Amino acid sequence: GENVGLHLPTLSVQEGDNSIINCAYSNSASDYFIWYKQESGKGPQFIIDIRSNMDKRQGQRVTVLLNKTVKHLSLQIAATQPGDSAVYFCAENGGSNYKLTFGKGTLLTVNP
Amino acid sequence: GAGVSQSPSNKVTEKGKDVELRCDPISGHTALYWYRQSLGQGLEFLIYFQGNSAPDKSGLPSDRFSAERTGGSVSTLTIQRTQQEDSAVYLCASSLEGQMNTEAFFGQGTRLTVV
Repeated sequence: GENVGLHLPTLSVQEGDNSIINCAYSNSASDYFIWYKQESGKGPQFIIDIRSNMDKRQGQRVTVLLNKTVKHLSLQIAATQPGDSAVYFCAENGGSNYKLTFGKGTLLTVNP
Repeated sequence: GAGVSQSPSNKVTEKGKDVELRCDPISGHTALYWYRQSLGQGLEFLIYFQGNSAPDKSGLPSDRFSAERTGGSVSTLTIQRTQQEDSAVYLCASSLEGQMNTEAFFGQGTRLTVV
């Protein structure tokens, strides 16, 4: 859903299910994208990245998909665990090699 | 140090007062970034330091905000004449060079509340 004011988009899943978190980016000059995980009271933590010359990249339990045609990014988490509960942010570089623009985040809640 | 360290972790200040926020980056990291995170929002770029190059200050929201990095290590973000809209978590990150990728690590942030 849309983020309005203080309300983050939320996703609630059962432990063991797969999660898909979506992100729309805005800058066609962006050629590098990162997903971050932020737990309560902590700074963002790198999860996985992808460059624009790829449309899919896999890590441990996570996969990022990039659709440049519609400027869409998604993060898939396999076999979601309670420890995955956090806010997930996508970020794009807008062509810069150091300045990232972050999305507003999605709150993932994993129910045991 | 083992990670990026920020101090204080929490700061409550009265409107109109000046505040200083400190960031100790990971030893050896030449790039340092400040971001601001308002409640329920994503991160907003403020400023970027890379070695001895002139910093990119394009994200600073007003001339009340300034930052410096002494000796290529510790950085201080100063907010003068604080306003209630300055209330946010201020995050610092560092990396080996100017690449916000796997080498960039964030501190836990300073939660600033202006009352």
